[in-house]
Amino acid sequence: DVKVTQSSRYLVKRTGEKVFLECVQDMDHENMFWYRQDPGLGLRLIYFSYDVKMKEKGDIPEGYSVSREKKERFSLILESASTNQTSMYLCASSLVGTDNGQFFGPGTRLTVL
Amino acid sequence: QKEVEQDPGPLSVPEGAIVSLNCTYSNSAFQYFMWYRQYSRKGPELLMYTYSSGNKEDGRFTAQVDKSSKYISLFIRDSQPSDSATYLCAMSDTSGTYKYIFGTGTRLKVLA
Repeated sequence: DVKVTQSSRYLVKRTGEKVFLECVQDMDHENMFWYRQDPGLGLRLIYFSYDVKMKEKGDIPEGYSVSREKKERFSLILESASTNQTSMYLCASSLVGTDNGQFFGPGTRLTVL
Repeated sequence: QKEVEQDPGPLSVPEGAIVSLNCTYSNSAFQYFMWYRQYSRKGPELLMYTYSSGNKEDGRFTAQVDKSSKYISLFIRDSQPSDSATYLCAMSDTSGTYKYIFGTGTRLKVLA
């Protein structure tokens, strides 16, 4: 069974902390994505990566950075967490091209106090 | 105007009903259309994928694309309480940008 896993289901951090969210996929997918999901706003793309060490900004990259050192692993970093980054964070992966859809992880519910 | 519009619901139906979920979009370049189901506190799971216009059926689910009207639908036959979830539509063009545009989701409740 194909899998995208995320390091934590629930995370509580304080304002100003550096936060790492990890995502691992076992499908040998080239593309990996980080989204945040907020009520009424839907899924918004933060960053995506189409290859190791390659990354592209999505629609809302401010306050975030990413790292992809290995094909199966894509990390999202909040350099200095703020309360407006409280959200559900979803990682996804897909094969090259747009005709296969994306496979999502279970999500990380991050609360920043 | 958002690129993809989806009624947020909630939509409540009795068990066994036929459910119709819809999205409209504005970008005529969209060619790939997907439906995801998301249970509470879980990640979305891919339900149906269609390319360009037409219908696609998978068990109780039928996805329909009408590119001339920029309208897509997901039909669920013989709906079950286990179908209660939020349904997200998503679409993408052929530009190779790897970007998918998602609707905000419709919350469905199937009452036993």
